[in-house]
Amino acid sequence: NAGVMQNPRHLVRRRGQEARLRCSPMKGHSHVYWYRQLPEEGLKFMVYLQKENIIDESGMPKERFSAEFPKEGPSILRIQQVVRGDSAAYFCASSVNSGSTDTQYFGPGTRLTVL
Amino acid sequence: AQSVTQPDIHITVSEGASLELRCNYSYGATPYLFWYVQSPGQGLQLLLKYFSGDTLVQGIKGFEAEFKRSQSSFNLRKPSVHWSDAAEYFCAVGATGGGNKLTFGTGTQLKVEL
Repeated sequence: NAGVMQNPRHLVRRRGQEARLRCSPMKGHSHVYWYRQLPEEGLKFMVYLQKENIIDESGMPKERFSAEFPKEGPSILRIQQVVRGDSAAYFCASSVNSGSTDTQYFGPGTRLTVL
Repeated sequence: AQSVTQPDIHITVSEGASLELRCNYSYGATPYLFWYVQSPGQGLQLLLKYFSGDTLVQGIKGFEAEFKRSQSSFNLRKPSVHWSDAAEYFCAVGATGGGNKLTFGTGTQLKVEL
C-alpha cells in the first residue's frame, strides 16, 4: 500500500508566478489535510478537505491560496502570484476518517522556493 | 485555542544515553496527543499517540511517552539512543471536536554524538 504521494518534491517559482502542489492520499483515505512549515518553525494547519468539499480552511491565507480535492484525481494546493514569503515546505496528510483519533499519514512534502 | 510548547530547540546526547524530549500543551478538554519524527528532507512519521487509558504509551523504535494531566505534559523518552535517532521531533495536539486538525510544537532537533 503506497503512502501519501506528493509532487513535485521541489518547486522553484519566480515572484508573481503560480504554484500548484499535488497530493495523492493513501489508498482508501478520503480525508486530506495541508500543512505549511516555514523555516525554523513547526507545521501549521492550512486546510482540511474531503472529496469535493472543503471542511475547514481556517488556516488558509485569505488571498492567493486555494485548495481542492476533486472526485477523481489528487488534491491540489494552488498559490497564485507567489511571493518570497511563500517559500516553505508544504505537507499533505491523509486519514481514513475524520475522527480526532484517526492517524494522519504524512507525505514527503513539496519544498517551494520563490526567487 | 490549543497550543503546544517544546521548550528545547536543540538537544545533543551521546549514543547509548537516555533521552527525554519535553512537550507541554494547552487545551481545554482531554487532549489527543502525538509525537512525530522528521528526518532531513522527509515527511513526518508517527512515533506514538495518546487518546485515553494508560498514561504511559509505547511507540515504534523503542520510544515511549507519558501523559501527565497535572503538568499538562507529554514527554517523549527513550532509554538508549541510537545514532539513527538523530532527527527533528514534533509534539502535536489534536482537536477533540472532530476534523482532526493538528497543532504542532516548533520541534526539537536531536543530535546524537558517537
